[in-house]
Amino acid sequence: DAGVTQSPTHLIKTRGQQVTLRCSPKSGHDTVSWYQQALGQGPQFIFQYYEEEERQRGNFPDRFSGHQFPNYSSELNVNALWLGDSALYLCASSLAGNTDTQYFGPGTRLTVL
Amino acid sequence: KQEVTQIPAALSVPEGENLVLNCSFTDSAIYNLQWFRQDPGKGLTSLLLIQSSQREQTSGRLNASLDKSSGRSTLYIAASQPGDSATYLCAVDNTDKLIFGTGTRLQVFP
Repeated sequence: DAGVTQSPTHLIKTRGQQVTLRCSPKSGHDTVSWYQQALGQGPQFIFQYYEEEERQRGNFPDRFSGHQFPNYSSELNVNALWLGDSALYLCASSLAGNTDTQYFGPGTRLTVL
Repeated sequence: KQEVTQIPAALSVPEGENLVLNCSFTDSAIYNLQWFRQDPGKGLTSLLLIQSSQREQTSGRLNASLDKSSGRSTLYIAASQPGDSATYLCAVDNTDKLIFGTGTRLQVFP
């Protein structure tokens, strides 16, 4: 039973560029949440997708956008990158109606130079 | 706005000690509280989940308690081992999204 997978593992971008991160949920899960974790901080909720729609959103600018596909996998897009976007981006999957248990992926480490 | 605080921020102890990690939150209207472990540069592993109606949960050497009215949770680690070295995060769930504290970085030395 595959757990949550994320790609790529690491990514280096320069300011102003755009980036796309990918997440495949645990088998049987239909809800995907994205979190940003800056160095030395706890993860912060970005948004959550269910049935291909954004269901909830945290306090992040519109530069952060996402998508969920019919197979429940998800993408996180960040436009106009700036240095402060450097972080570990975590994806978590769960089953709608049972979001008590969220399973986290290993994360994508994004460095913006 | 829900805020989660963890103390201490860091802890270094010799092997074998019993440890207490603290978590406090400002809004008692939570669905549940979870404790996670995070190894450096890695994702999160859920350790214990306490529903809002529960007072505590136990798993092996770990015991977590929840006092919703006072906005506090405690993670107790018995007989600590070097393999317990990691960052421990608590998170509250009040609208299907998790709000995390900044974590306690634990080092257990032989």
